[in-house]
Amino acid sequence: AQTVTQSQPEMSVQEAETVTLSCTYDTSESDYYLFWYKQPPSRQMILVIRQEAYKQQNATENRFSVNFQKAAKSFSLKISDSQLGDAAMYFCAYRKAAGNKLTFGGGTRVLVKP
Amino acid sequence: DAGITQSPRHKVTETGTPVTLRCHQTENHRYMYWYRQDPGHGLRLIHYSYGVKDTDKGEVSDGYSVSRSKTEDFLLTLESATSSQTSVYFCAIRGDRVSAEAFFGQGTRLTVV
Repeated sequence: AQTVTQSQPEMSVQEAETVTLSCTYDTSESDYYLFWYKQPPSRQMILVIRQEAYKQQNATENRFSVNFQKAAKSFSLKISDSQLGDAAMYFCAYRKAAGNKLTFGGGTRVLVKP
Repeated sequence: DAGITQSPRHKVTETGTPVTLRCHQTENHRYMYWYRQDPGHGLRLIHYSYGVKDTDKGEVSDGYSVSRSKTEDFLLTLESATSSQTSVYFCAIRGDRVSAEAFFGQGTRLTVV
């Protein structure tokens, strides 16, 4: 079974600074998708960024970017120029390309200090 | 926003009583999922559906059953609620494309006392 591990329960960052969240996963598949979801206090799950395993180029979405290391099975999220609105729980998730199930890590809480 | 609605949003129930949570979508998506969220565990899959009357178990299915009699509705039933089922429950939907992302409902906070 696939597993997703987020080793940092909580991270703190100063406003306007950069923070990097770690995620590792275990799979024997070669084709899969990786996701980062944000969950603010409203509880809504919001997709932040997505990476296709067959693409070597790291995905970026505005201030959010990933460092995808396929051989190391690592998928970190970098938040640049952190804003107060970035404070939330962040979840890393995995789904094999031909699969139906989305597997989540345990989450990392991001605190943004003004 | 994806058209996905969960009801109720909050519920308190007593141990041993049956409880049904409803997920309704207006997107005509094939896949529907029920997850539970607990501190330190992220979201764990309970059951999912890949079509009308087609369902399968997830990693934490014990004590739960589901039904999908039409495309737009996916019901999660706790036959006899226990305190360990106190949690936040999320429904998600996903389209057919391999690359399709999952969209989530706003969650249901269930407390079993």
